[in-house]
Amino acid sequence: GAVVSQHPSWVICKSGTSVKIECRSLDFQATTMFWYRQFPKQSLMLMATSNEGSKATYEQGVEKDKFLINHASLTLSTLTVTSAHPEDSSFYICSAPQGETDTQYFGPGTRLTVL
Amino acid sequence: GQNIDQPTEMTATEGAIVQINCTYQTSGFNGLFWYQQHAGEAPTFLSYNVLDGLEEKGRFSSFLSRSKGYSYLLLKELQMKDSASYLCAAMDSNYQLIWGAGTKLIIKP
Repeated sequence: GAVVSQHPSWVICKSGTSVKIECRSLDFQATTMFWYRQFPKQSLMLMATSNEGSKATYEQGVEKDKFLINHASLTLSTLTVTSAHPEDSSFYICSAPQGETDTQYFGPGTRLTVL
Repeated sequence: GQNIDQPTEMTATEGAIVQINCTYQTSGFNGLFWYQQHAGEAPTFLSYNVLDGLEEKGRFSSFLSRSKGYSYLLLKELQMKDSASYLCAAMDSNYQLIWGAGTKLIIKP
């Protein structure tokens, strides 16, 4: 299967700082990548769709100025959580579709804790 | 609206068989996916169905009935490591994935 990596695996930051999370497709190219957030014992929530060479598409209720997405190349998308607050603490996971069926392959996730 | 329904939690015994059901309503349909998610980890892909019928992959099988908007994931010879959440997701006509809330499967010795 396709391999997607994420960095960092976990991060702890102070309230008010910004955190950047990278998502890479290692053995395939992805013009689209997806960013999800998952709170403990809750389901996956799609935040936004990252599009290479154009603006990201955000889901309703997700602040685009707070969650900055950049899809700089066919193998890299970044999510920057700006001015992070404790309520932003969550598990952030990216995925990239691959193959004829557009099966989404997930990165290992980034656990963000904002103090 | 678009919707996926699956049971919240199921319990089964090691060595047994369990069937996790999923019903979906989407605008158009481009396939049904099952993922496994262990606690604290990201989901991993298990299966994809777009045609009616049963797809078998080792101990796991997935079934689809498009006319009924229904799928199930069948797990045989259950092992303790199968304790996880199982996510059902349907792809709509825009190739967007609509996710179920997941079924937490608890395996008892």
